Amino acid sequence: EIVMTQSPATLSVSPGERATLSCRASQSVNSDLAWYQQTPGQTPRLLIYGASTRATGIPARFSGSGSGTEFTLTISSLQSEDFAVYYCQQYNNWPLTFGGGTKVEIK
Amino acid sequence: EVQLLESGGGLVQPGGSLRLSCVTSRLSLSTYDMSWVRQAPGKGLEWVSAFRGTGGSTYYADSVKGRFTISTDISTNTLYLQMNSLRAEDTAVYYCAKAWSSGWNYLDYWGQGTLVTVSS
Repeated sequence: EIVMTQSPATLSVSPGERATLSCRASQSVNSDLAWYQQTPGQTPRLLIYGASTRATGIPARFSGSGSGTEFTLTISSLQSEDFAVYYCQQYNNWPLTFGGGTKVEIK
Repeated sequence: EVQLLESGGGLVQPGGSLRLSCVTSRLSLSTYDMSWVRQAPGKGLEWVSAFRGTGGSTYYADSVKGRFTISTDISTNTLYLQMNSLRAEDTAVYYCAKAWSSGWNYLDYWGQGTLVTVSS
């Protein structure tokens, strides 16, 4: 099983600032990496797939990068609706696995 | 737009069984892979099981292997998760989710979830 590790667990950021979230895989997943956003009480929403491709309707302030074992999600200028928990997920191998999540909170 | 609607959750005693259903609309279960993902209260996302639309292969997390069974009914566009020998640690909201396509298992549509509580 590929273990996905996200850091930090919590990120405190002021509105308008940049947020950088990390995700590491225990072995290479190539670019088979997705990011999801979950706001309180809501279902997860797909943000990024293929490590760097934004899903339909996702604002350009969200960007993904990386390949192999190291990945980054960057939110260039945090808006109020971006304060949420973010998960990475690999789909290179079965079983599918998620990271533990990074909570982005208001500083 | 694709819609996914789960049902079947509830309170069950340890060792009991439940069957979750996910009725889908505007998608063919013979074309897309589908997954069940769960989220324990206050915890993160945990993938549980998947059904490959093409070929019908099934996959399970180690934590549920041998206890849970995923299946589909193409005629009613319904995805199922039969859960047996339930444990307290199976308590979670269970989501069904659609993969982008068969073989590309990032999850682009999610249902609203159904809560399963395992407690005596």
